[in-house]
Amino acid sequence: DTGVSQDPRHKITKRGQNVTFRCDPISEHNRLYWYRQTLGQGPEFLTYFQNEAQLEKSRLLSDRFSAERPKGSFSTLEIQRTEQGDSAMYLCASSTPDRPGDTEAFFGQGTRLTVV
Amino acid sequence: KQEVTQIPAALSVPEGENLVLNCSFTDSAIYNLQWFRQDPGKGLTSLLLIQSSQREQTSGRLNASLDKSSGRSTLYIAASQPGDSATYLCALTTGGFKTIFGAGTRLFVKA
Repeated sequence: DTGVSQDPRHKITKRGQNVTFRCDPISEHNRLYWYRQTLGQGPEFLTYFQNEAQLEKSRLLSDRFSAERPKGSFSTLEIQRTEQGDSAMYLCASSTPDRPGDTEAFFGQGTRLTVV
Repeated sequence: KQEVTQIPAALSVPEGENLVLNCSFTDSAIYNLQWFRQDPGKGLTSLLLIQSSQREQTSGRLNASLDKSSGRSTLYIAASQPGDSATYLCALTTGGFKTIFGAGTRLFVKA
């Protein structure tokens, strides 16, 4: 499978616990993005990496959220002290550099987080 | 601030009907526009990508157009099938390669 891979697909956690999600982008893609999607809404941008550098973070990414991309390959998104409002689908996408107009984002299947 | 609006929010049509989904945006300074399909509880599948310099793209029964001057894009689906039932999302890539999404149109095609 050469697409974007996310793990786990589903996660149920108790409020206050920490969770970590993983994303493996398409191998030749150097840009990686995290989005959050709540029911009935489109995905909202969280953060973006170019190689290992985190270049942009949304105001949605509170201090309880942290994302890393060591060595510019896979990425992890950690949520500390989870709250019920964190329940959502977390989507990862990757793209190639090229020219901006050619940038086509490829998405993974997402991680569905439920905080109880 | 770029805002993306999709109309209608939901649509139900009989099988075989041709249909048009609409997407409007407020800032014409975009790099490209993508249409995605999302099945319930699943990730996004890219359908069509229109570069900023292009007017339309076609793939099979799908045709997407882009008019930057009016801030509009349409996705045309010909001869709709029950398997086309899904949520269709319009997304713009802006400076910084960030993608901004609309809320989507939920399509139901009745057999």
